[in-house]
Amino acid sequence: GQQVMQIPQYQHVQEGEDFTTYCNSSTTLSNIQWYKQRPGGHPVFLIQLVKSGEVKKQKRLTFQFGEAKKNSSLHITATQTTDVGTYFCAGPSGGYQKVTFGTGTKLQVIP
Amino acid sequence: NAGVMQNPRHLVRRRGQEARLRCSPMKGHSHVYWYRQLPEEGLKFMVYLQKENIIDESGMPKERFSAEFPKEGPSILRIQQVVRGDSAAYFCASSPRSGEGYTFGSGTRLTVV
Repeated sequence: GQQVMQIPQYQHVQEGEDFTTYCNSSTTLSNIQWYKQRPGGHPVFLIQLVKSGEVKKQKRLTFQFGEAKKNSSLHITATQTTDVGTYFCAGPSGGYQKVTFGTGTKLQVIP
Repeated sequence: NAGVMQNPRHLVRRRGQEARLRCSPMKGHSHVYWYRQLPEEGLKFMVYLQKENIIDESGMPKERFSAEFPKEGPSILRIQQVVRGDSAAYFCASSPRSGEGYTFGSGTRLTVV
């Protein structure tokens, strides 16, 4: 079945440093979604990318969808302590479009 | 808009008992999904439902687990004869259409003792 891997698994950064997480799918995706889960919380939808090579920005967050639509990245500029959490990418799988979540990247920001 | 409502937030069951988890999707959302998350792990798909129909249950164990989304009322995830390995956070999510971003509920943390 479809596999969605993310690297790194964990990342510790000093506040103010940049952070990037990478997402790779074993199959071509029609779209990619990104979610953030705070410690003890639930996943919160951030964005969906649909087009090959698409780049979208949300304040300090930049999302990119690869040309082959099999990989994606999330880059955070100048991290803040509020960015702490686990970031998941997710892509549709199966004929019914359910979403398969990536393995996640847990971000810790050191003040 | 109340969002996706899950209850209870925490549930403790003894081995062998039944657990019933409830989920009311966002208003206007007809697609409901259940995911399970073990501590420090990712979200594993369990089942995808629309009103009165199970669309995809490929992630649900064949034994002891069942789900429904009746015409009236919330979606229910039922776990019979719970075992310690069922302890996890169970998240429900909904979307207005297939292929769109999900809105998650706050989850039910199940502990089997």
